[in-house]
Amino acid sequence: EVQLLESGGGLVQPGGFLRLSCAASGFTFRSYGMTWVRQAPGKGLEWVSGITDSGGSTFYTDSVKGRFTISRDNSKNTLYLQMNSLRAEDTAVYYCAKFDVSGSYNYFDYWGQGALVTVSS
Amino acid sequence: EIVLTQSPATLSLSPGKRATLSCRASQSISTYVAWYQQKPGQAPRLLIYEASNRATGIPARFSGSGSGTDFTLTISSLEPEDFAVYYCQQRRNWPITFGQGTRLEIK
Repeated sequence: EVQLLESGGGLVQPGGFLRLSCAASGFTFRSYGMTWVRQAPGKGLEWVSGITDSGGSTFYTDSVKGRFTISRDNSKNTLYLQMNSLRAEDTAVYYCAKFDVSGSYNYFDYWGQGALVTVSS
Repeated sequence: EIVLTQSPATLSLSPGKRATLSCRASQSISTYVAWYQQKPGQAPRLLIYEASNRATGIPARFSGSGSGTDFTLTISSLEPEDFAVYYCQQRRNWPITFGQGTRLEIK
């Protein structure tokens, strides 16, 4: 059974930093691209960042470029999102999700339960 | 960035009725569209990928159609568990984008 378990969320002051982790199990982690999607309270889904299976390529939405860094450790089956210079508008539930096809980066077939990040003074 | 516009924002229907949800792209995205269902307090669930393919375990009452800029998610006969928020998503280009969602509520 595929499982994705996020951790590392919490309350942080504006300008602060946080690192989210996503522990994966139930599939060959190193063979699939991974992604982060966030959802502000009461709002819709927003794609944040993606990473290829090897970690060799990364992608970001414009609003987080230069502030967030996605990475992965295939030896630990873990995905990360380093978030720096956090702003109030980054407040959201952050989901990690798996791309559906090995070697393809289109759709998300499994999602974690989400980690809440609150940016407030 | 490709913008996806979903309509209507809210759809009120009774169980047993047919639901038709729309998603329009700001430029052609071929068939690079997926649909997700999200219930309160839950993560989204993949329903349809590549515009018309049902994901694993998704009931046959869910179907998708369209290509280019106009896409439709159809639920043929609404079950009580289908009342939720539905999002379309494109991957024709980076960045990946989602529509703003359609809330399907019980009438």
